[in-house]
Amino acid sequence: GQSLEQPSEVTAVEGAIVQINCTYQTSGFYGLSWYQQHDGGAPTFLSYNALDGLEETGRFSSFLSRSDSYGYLLLQELQMKDSASYFCAPRGNTGKLIFGQGTTLQVKP
Amino acid sequence: NAGVMQNPRHLVRRRGQEARLRCSPMKGHSHVYWYRQLPEEGLKFMVYLQKENIIDESGMPKERFSAEFPKEGPSILRIQQVVRGDSAAYFCASSLGLADETQYFGPGTRLLVL
Repeated sequence: GQSLEQPSEVTAVEGAIVQINCTYQTSGFYGLSWYQQHDGGAPTFLSYNALDGLEETGRFSSFLSRSDSYGYLLLQELQMKDSASYFCAPRGNTGKLIFGQGTTLQVKP
Repeated sequence: NAGVMQNPRHLVRRRGQEARLRCSPMKGHSHVYWYRQLPEEGLKFMVYLQKENIIDESGMPKERFSAEFPKEGPSILRIQQVVRGDSAAYFCASSLGLADETQYFGPGTRLLVL
């Protein structure tokens, strides 16, 4: 079967660092994507991990451990504009993305 | 380079009518995915298409829903005899190919069934 777990809400202050964890179970796993969505708008691609380890893209980093079926998104130097929903999305071998409920990040001044 | 285009952005239908949602992928992309998002929920995969082929429709309801991606023109998601439960945001995403991991999403179509 398929399952996905990530925290429903996270709150942090500007300038802080926040980590959003994701555990998954999916058949035919190819890799783990992360998307950001503001107020129900178009999901925006943030990062993708196909191999174990850390991928860094500016203030955002993503980590994957395939053996643990675990990943996380690390957001550094938080800004108010980072307030949004964040989705981890395992990618299956047919290409489809499996989205969970997402994590709502609220950044406070 | 234009991104993924979807139209209409908002669509209002009465119960029993048909809804047709269109998606034009990014230039050069031949793979299209449709997802549905209910309020306060994540996106749910519906269907994956390549030009003139349905690759994976495991997320499509068995009745009333159909999708196509013709050789020419946009991909179409059609919902016949809409019901109130069909009210949702429908997002289309495109990618270069199965080996390309990044799916780029369009702005979505908000369907409201009265």
